[in-house]
Amino acid sequence: SYELTQPPSVSVSPGQTARITCSGDALPKKFAYWYQQKSGQAPVLVIYEDSRRPSGIPERFSGSSSGTMATLTISGAQVEDEADYYCYSTDSNGDHRVFGGGTKLTVL
Amino acid sequence: QVQLVQSGAEVKKPGASVKVSCKTSGYMFIGYFVHWVRQAPGQGLEWMGWINPNSGGTNYAQRFQGRVTMTRDTSISTSYMELSGLTPDDTAVYYCARDINNNNEDWFDPWGQGTLVTVSS
Repeated sequence: SYELTQPPSVSVSPGQTARITCSGDALPKKFAYWYQQKSGQAPVLVIYEDSRRPSGIPERFSGSSSGTMATLTISGAQVEDEADYYCYSTDSNGDHRVFGGGTKLTVL
Repeated sequence: QVQLVQSGAEVKKPGASVKVSCKTSGYMFIGYFVHWVRQAPGQGLEWMGWINPNSGGTNYAQRFQGRVTMTRDTSISTSYMELSGLTPDDTAVYYCARDINNNNEDWFDPWGQGTLVTVSS
């Protein structure tokens, strides 16, 4: 089955840049999507189609993708950005919808 | 605004079934698929399947086939997810989410608030 791999944790100080990666064999052909999940809440879409930001998401959130790796970047991370972040995509046939294992972002 | 509001928490015994509802508002119900995703305590997100509210057609993840049934009632803009043969491993928060489709790819936005299902004897 298809898998997306994320680091379990990333830690930065407030104001620093946080980068969270997501690797998958089909990412050269398929878009990556990113969800933010704060404790006890439902996931919220922060990036779609690799790099597009939904309305209402702060400009400090950006996304990119190159080869088999997609990256979520939070420029000038703030304490309120502490959350679990999940990438999402599909295999090359679009048959298997999968999430990465999630990355816990700590900002302190 | 687009909203998905789910039914309340459930406690079930092993072997039982659970049916979770997802009432939508703020958009044309039959125009967008509805997905179901679950999250076990302290774990990641797991896609379970989708339903096409227009046709009633469904697509389930392989590991849930035979145990999950997704249905809808268009008169009240509500989708349902029923999971049978519950075991303690099915203890999780179950989310519904609206499908967004573009360029032959889809994603989920927004999500319901989640429904905790606890399976315990």
